[in-house]
Amino acid sequence: SQQGEEDPQALSIQEGENATMNCSYKTSINNLQWYRQNSGRGLVHLILIRSNEREKHSGRLRVTLDTSKKSSSLLITASRAADTASYFCATDSLGGAQKLVFGQGTRLTINP
Amino acid sequence: NAGVTQTPKFQVLKTGQSMTLQCAQDMNHNSMYWYRQDPGMGLRLIYYSASEGTTDKGEVPNGYNVSRLNKREFSLRLESAAPSQTSVYFCASSTTSGGNYRETQYFGPGTRLLVL
Repeated sequence: SQQGEEDPQALSIQEGENATMNCSYKTSINNLQWYRQNSGRGLVHLILIRSNEREKHSGRLRVTLDTSKKSSSLLITASRAADTASYFCATDSLGGAQKLVFGQGTRLTINP
Repeated sequence: NAGVTQTPKFQVLKTGQSMTLQCAQDMNHNSMYWYRQDPGMGLRLIYYSASEGTTDKGEVPNGYNVSRLNKREFSLRLESAAPSQTSVYFCASSTTSGGNYRETQYFGPGTRLLVL
């Protein structure tokens, strides 16, 4: 079963615009992570936010976490064509086994 | 550092054939994982190894076996391949913090498997 559910499933925007993707989860977590996957490649870690953090930044990325709503969002500002990829959230559940659980991903397309 | 390497990159099997997918990491990570990814879907965990000498089932273990050969290597074996196992397989590794939190996972490039 999927712990994280991303929304939307697909997003298409113009270069320079901001892109926002959301992730909802079901159980309490230790941390939540976001990964990017370019077509035909493995996943690359973007950012990790712990359960006691509310917001985190890395370059053009901004991640928020609302543990009361069991949700997170990933904002990519000033998007570029190179940001075209699928984005996945992954959760590390409290008391869970030694594993992350990945959502189904958001496919982001940046149009030049 | 090569990171996480996987072999082969691509494989075609006939139904009933067996094969082993190899994975190695050079980051001294304790934990290693095997996932499969089907079109339009996220990753589903097949098996994982929290530390050398241990392996545990994930979400979709049926039809697979694994071996944690040493700290660096974690192999995935299909004993009798079926068309339903056509997928892209990813290996990953990670550290585990002192608080037993699951930290960043590092992924290999994947193996594309086609079972006819």
